[in-house]
Order: sequence, then structure tokens, then C-alpha cells
Amino acid sequence: QKEVEQNSGPLSVPEGAIASLNCTYSDRGSQSFFWYRQYSGKSPELIMFIYSNGDKEDGRFTAQLNKASQYVSLLIRDSQPSDSATYLCAVVDSGAGSYQLTFGKGTKLSVIP
Amino acid sequence: GAGVSQSPSNKVTEKGKDVELRCDPISGHTALYWYRQSLGQGLEFLIYFQGNSAPDKSGLPSDRFSAERTGGSVSTLTIQRTQQEDSAVYLCASSRDGSTDSPLHFGNGTRLTVT
Repeated sequence: QKEVEQNSGPLSVPEGAIASLNCTYSDRGSQSFFWYRQYSGKSPELIMFIYSNGDKEDGRFTAQLNKASQYVSLLIRDSQPSDSATYLCAVVDSGAGSYQLTFGKGTKLSVIP
Repeated sequence: GAGVSQSPSNKVTEKGKDVELRCDPISGHTALYWYRQSLGQGLEFLIYFQGNSAPDKSGLPSDRFSAERTGGSVSTLTIQRTQQEDSAVYLCASSRDGSTDSPLHFGNGTRLTVT
């Protein structure tokens, strides 16, 4: 059973601070990693994806991947109240021939004005 | 279409009734996925289509659940003899080709309530 673990939070950070969201996964064969944001009552929307070890930056967002430690994180710089949402980590393993995403339960982020 | 479209957005049904949920993926996307999300829970994978074929049905919770996809486009998820534990938001997603570098794009979901 593939597992994706996230701290459920809530994680509270003041406006302008850096929010750090963490995710670990159980399957070493995992190849692709995604971060989705989900506002309350809405569907998930893709923020970033990362495939290679290291950092990937997109605007205020940075995804970090360490396959040896089976760890992926999302940093949000200059956090804004509009960033308040649940952040879902998702992992793909194509080994079984199915490109199924396994999601973590999400971390709820609250940015305090 | 511009995005993944799901209908209905809300469905209330009595226990024991059958329901059909519809998903219209992004035009040109060959891969289509069904997930469900119960209150306070993560997303649970149900089924995956590549074209009209379903190579992975491993997530369907029971034989009351079935899904089909026709013309490589619209998909229908059918739940027979609904139970209260079926109450959840059913999310459909599509991706360009189902490859590992092809992100999923979600629809707004169907909120199913079984009374």
C-alpha cells in the first residue's frame, strides 16, 4: 500500500513569512511529485510538479525533492492571506502500469494578516 | 472544452436508489480519472481510463460502482443501490496522455448526499 504522509496542521504563519509544507512517501519507485492547492469547497488546482532531485522555483513557490530521503516540500515565500487553503501532496508511481496519483490528506495553511 | 466539466454539481438521493455522475474532460485529453473525497479525508482513487479502456479499476469500492467512457471523451460513474457511506464529493480529472509528466486537471466535482 503506497502511502503519502502530510502533517494535517493547521499551520499558521503571519503574512509575509515563509510557509513550509512537508510530505513523505513510502514508495521508492515514485517518479513524479505534485502539489495541489484546495480552497474550502473547491476542487484541487495544480500549483507545481517536480521530477528531479533539488529545487524548482515558480514565482513565490519553491518545490524541493529529495528522493534518497523520500521527501518533498513546498515553500511559499511572502505568504498572503489568499494562500490560506489546504495543500495536497500527490505522488505517481508508474511501475504498475497505471499513472495513478496517490494523495496525502493535506496540510491546512492559515496565513494571518 | 476549456476545463473539466462535471454534472450535476449536487445530487441528493435516497438510500437504495441508483445515481449517474457525468464527466466531460478537457478536449484532447486521453486520460480520465475518478476520485472521491469524503469529509475531512484525502482523495481516494476510484478508476482510470486511457481512451475508452479502463486498465486500472482497483479503486472501485464495491461491485455497486461502475464506470464507462465512450468516444474517448465523456465518462459516466454509476453507483447502484446507494448507501449512506457513498456520500462524498466525486471528482473527475483529465490529463493530456496519462504519462507521469502529464498533470491532472480537476473538475468542480459532484457532491453526493445519500439520505
